[in-house]
Amino acid sequence: EVQLLESGGGLVQPGGSLRLSCAASGFTFSTYAMSWVRQAPGKGLEWVSAISGSGITTHYADSVKGRFTISRDNSKNTLYLQMNSLRAEDTAVYYCAKGERFAFDLWGQGTMVTASS
Amino acid sequence: QSALTQPPSASGSPGQSVTISCTGTSSDVGGYNYVSWYQQHPGKAPRVMIFEVNKRPSGVPDRFSGSKSGNTASLTVSGLQAEDEADYYCSSHAGSNNFAVFGGGTKLTVL
Repeated sequence: EVQLLESGGGLVQPGGSLRLSCAASGFTFSTYAMSWVRQAPGKGLEWVSAISGSGITTHYADSVKGRFTISRDNSKNTLYLQMNSLRAEDTAVYYCAKGERFAFDLWGQGTMVTASS
Repeated sequence: QSALTQPPSASGSPGQSVTISCTGTSSDVGGYNYVSWYQQHPGKAPRVMIFEVNKRPSGVPDRFSGSKSGNTASLTVSGLQAEDEADYYCSSHAGSNNFAVFGGGTKLTVL
């Protein structure tokens, strides 16, 4: 079955760190760019970061640049998002999404990240 | 990275057609044919309905169509059905430093 499964979300204090994972199955993972997209409670979608299929090229939204790092392990079919210096405004559901020509054609179920004291 | 502009709400009766607009700039919507549209039901992950302005993924009903003119893209839902009631988001590629930018979302109500 073609699917994405996120994990690693939780409650963290502001200034803390968290690493999200996204396990992919059912497709040739290394062939596709992957992204993280987040959605704050009751708000719209916000693209966070993207990585090429090889992992060589990465992109970040200004709001997370310098704090978040996207990476992937193609041998494990897994995407990661290392989040440091978390802020209250980073609180959101984080989705991983498979990219195809700058569209997101497969989404995970999401994992909730809450940055609060 | 400014968000694309969508109307916050839209509505129509069953069987009618409704069009949702998505306005950007020449740096995103107007500059690339990489506009996509997503449907999101409450508590669910988004689902792509349109990619590359007007292409439908397999499994998406042909009641959904997309278009673009200048810096504004549009999603039209024809023959509205109750299950079309959801939030809809547009997205566009915005250059090498802005992989993707989303609109603020439109809540579609089927009356």
